[in-house]
Amino acid sequence: AQTVTQSQPEMSVQEAETVTLSCTYDTSENNYYLFWYKQPPSRQMILVIRQEAYKQQNATENRFSVNFQKAAKSFSLKISDSQLGDTAMYFCAFMKHAGGAQKLVFGQGTRLTINP
Amino acid sequence: GAVVSQHPSWVICKSGTSVKIECRSLDFQATTMFWYRQFPKQSLMLMATSNEGSKATYEQGVEKDKFLINHASLTLSTLTVTSAHPEDSSFYICSARARGGRGVSETQYFGPGTRLLVL
Repeated sequence: AQTVTQSQPEMSVQEAETVTLSCTYDTSENNYYLFWYKQPPSRQMILVIRQEAYKQQNATENRFSVNFQKAAKSFSLKISDSQLGDTAMYFCAFMKHAGGAQKLVFGQGTRLTINP
Repeated sequence: GAVVSQHPSWVICKSGTSVKIECRSLDFQATTMFWYRQFPKQSLMLMATSNEGSKATYEQGVEKDKFLINHASLTLSTLTVTSAHPEDSSFYICSARARGGRGVSETQYFGPGTRLLVL
């Protein structure tokens, strides 16, 4: 079974700073997807970024980028020029590439606070 | 694109009654929908997976007779909490995965959630 671990329960940075959220996972699969979802106080889950394991290039979406280290099974999220609206719970998630229902396996979450 | 709605967003009911929550994919067809439960300050816990036109697959420990799931069409899934009790109070979230289209079908899009309070 796959597991996802987020070792930082809480983080806090000043506005405009750069912050990196950690995520490690365990799987015997070779092809899979990794996601970062954001859950602001409204509790709406929002997709931040996705990475396909067979792609070596790290995914980027504006101020959000990932550092995907497949051999180390690490998938960290970097937020540059952080904004107050980035305050939220961030969940790392894993999904198999094929087979079965392709369920998301979530980490425990990291509560990120951006201070003015 | 890829918008998922849930209704109602808030529901308060008396113990022993049943509550139905709807999950709709508004601008895409969803082959698979998922139902999650989230306790305060915790991660999402998958309850069940539903595919259009077939029976839902429940996760271990989830009572299928208590949490009835119906996926009647490619855009609608419903979760009915039967004979609700206070311990069923929680935040319920659905998600939908699009049908076809590389790069779209692998991503789950989430509804805004439903807060259930059973008195």
